[in-house]
Amino acid sequence: DVKVTQSSRYLVKRTGEKVFLECVQDMDHENMFWYRQDPGLGLRLIYFSYDVKMKEKGDIPEGYSVSREKKERFSLILESASTNQTSMYLCASSLSLAEISYEQYFGPGTRLTVT
Amino acid sequence: QQQVKQSPQSLIVQKGGISIINCAYENTAFDYFPWYQQFPGKGPALLIAIRPDVSEKKEGRFTISFNKSAKQFSLHIMDSQPGDSATYFCAASTDSWGKLQFGAGTQVVVTP
Repeated sequence: DVKVTQSSRYLVKRTGEKVFLECVQDMDHENMFWYRQDPGLGLRLIYFSYDVKMKEKGDIPEGYSVSREKKERFSLILESASTNQTSMYLCASSLSLAEISYEQYFGPGTRLTVT
Repeated sequence: QQQVKQSPQSLIVQKGGISIINCAYENTAFDYFPWYQQFPGKGPALLIAIRPDVSEKKEGRFTISFNKSAKQFSLHIMDSQPGDSATYFCAASTDSWGKLQFGAGTQVVVTP
């Protein structure tokens, strides 16, 4: 079974803090994604990575950055946390071979509260 | 703005009934339409998916109906069970990386 793990289930940070959210997948997937999930808005893509050290902006990258130094690990960084970044953050991974499967495998999420 | 519009926002159905969730899109380049199911405290998981070359796909009690000309697709849950109570997201993709545009989600509650 594919397993995607996220470093924390719940996190509380103060405004202005630098926040790191870590994600690890164990299936040797090339693609990794970071989403935020908000009620009434569904899942919105923040960043994705299709290879080590490669990254692309998603729909809402402002205020976030990412790092992928190893294939299995994809980190989301909030440079200076703000209250409007309070949300559920979901990491996902998928194979790069789109003709076989686009299926994304999700982690359990990190609920981040910024006070 | 959301590229995939999903309705209704919530749905209550009796055990044994049919749950129907609808999604509409504008981008005709979308070529992959999955539905994800999310239980409380869990990440979403792929339930069923369809490509635009077919009009319907069925897996057990779950069916996707796809109308290319209307740019709409829907999920039907037949013989709904309390264990189907979850949030359902439709999505669409257009590129080789499989980046997904998600709908807003529908919370389905199946009453005993």
